[in-house]
Amino acid sequence: DTAVSQTPKYLVTQMGNDKSIKCEQNLGHDTMYWYKQDSKKFLKIMFSYNNKELIINETVPNRFSPKSPDKAHLNLHINSLELGDSAVYFCASSPQGIGNQPQHFGDGTRLSIL
Amino acid sequence: GESVGLHLPTLSVQEGDNSIINCAYSNSASDYFIWYKQESGKGPQFIIDIRSNMDKRQGQRVTVLLNKTVKHLSLQIAATQPGDSAVYFCAVKNYGGSQGNLIFGKGTKLSVKP
Repeated sequence: DTAVSQTPKYLVTQMGNDKSIKCEQNLGHDTMYWYKQDSKKFLKIMFSYNNKELIINETVPNRFSPKSPDKAHLNLHINSLELGDSAVYFCASSPQGIGNQPQHFGDGTRLSIL
Repeated sequence: GESVGLHLPTLSVQEGDNSIINCAYSNSASDYFIWYKQESGKGPQFIIDIRSNMDKRQGQRVTVLLNKTVKHLSLQIAATQPGDSAVYFCAVKNYGGSQGNLIFGKGTKLSVKP
């Protein structure tokens, strides 16, 4: 059973398009995250939601809009895709707020912009 | 804020030897530290964590050492196996900016020679 699952695994699209990535966790966690990993493997947080409420919003272009319909789902919508958006996007979850608990990651969505 | 660095970007070891991966952090107020393993095409996988009230914690074949005086963290892997080949990240809980999120180091690629 996959604990944190993301779809799609691969996403290839053209510049200017709008796309969404979905994430679901079946761990019963309260907090979910989106991270971006660049080509040099650098992993940086983008957003965090705790029980459907936004609690972290790092310096991310407003073309990126997260949505949490319930605490088990956190989706990421990206408008007007740019070349620099090419990266691997990881969803993660953790048991409570952003306290001292490890985050559990999905296997990523590889976004390639043509 | 917090910055996290790694002393070596790559590490090559012989199968059966012990591996040591190092990490430095900058914020002396950081109180939670995690090591993750990322295999090719996968998301980061939790290995072990440590809180600042400890200086050593052991798991199965892994040990994390925390030296708060010099703000240094290390991961020791005993009897390294080919399956340990991956990129290893340290992550530190951030107390600046978006308080409470994890700041990830740049990663060390561990290669195990048979």
